[in-house]
Amino acid sequence: QSALTQPRSVSGSPGQSVTISCTGTSSDVGGYNYVSWYQQHPGKAPKLMIYDVSGRPSGVPDRFSGSKSGNTASLTISGLQAEDEADYYCCSFAGSYTFVFGGGTKLTVL
Amino acid sequence: EVQVVESGGGLVQPGGSLRLSCAASEFTFSSYGMVWVRQAPGKGLVWVSHINSDGSSKNYADSVKGRFAISRDNAKNTLYLQMNSLRAEDTAVYYCAKNKEGLRFWGQGTLVTVSS
Repeated sequence: QSALTQPRSVSGSPGQSVTISCTGTSSDVGGYNYVSWYQQHPGKAPKLMIYDVSGRPSGVPDRFSGSKSGNTASLTISGLQAEDEADYYCCSFAGSYTFVFGGGTKLTVL
Repeated sequence: EVQVVESGGGLVQPGGSLRLSCAASEFTFSSYGMVWVRQAPGKGLVWVSHINSDGSSKNYADSVKGRFAISRDNAKNTLYLQMNSLRAEDTAVYYCAKNKEGLRFWGQGTLVTVSS
């Protein structure tokens, strides 16, 4: 149950695109199409942004997209906006109804 | 509006016990698996436990296995986490969430502080 690997921080200017990676193993990210992404603003509860690698819940802007290649999943945010500044966490199913999160990435909008 | 509300947190001494509750509303609670996730102060999210819809299957992170017990009462639309033999490293905000196409509908969490 080792945490998935995410960059500690990423940044971008308004209007630009950023991509956050999430690297696991064949026992989690690479083994299942059940990667999800969460946005968390300071002092707030996490919010689901992407499910099942690339699914987007209703209400989440289509600027947010997800993908996966091998053992690495990615979250891309296009057309960055100031309100996108937050912490982002990936999460993967790891078999037998266990889950593993990434360490989190702080997104700064310059 | 779908809602989950966690409660039961507080200050407890090392070695003590605490039971957290998560009250769910506006969705068919008995149809979904549920999870507990925790977040230590200033740290990231960590999955703690999962229970399936009827409570027959329960899974735990290695760090809490043997000390924590997840359960649910579908008649009361409530999820529980019994925490025993608490350690300082269990100090965190504990969240519950519905497991369906990702972890949805998080509550605001309940803070557990383990300290003497």
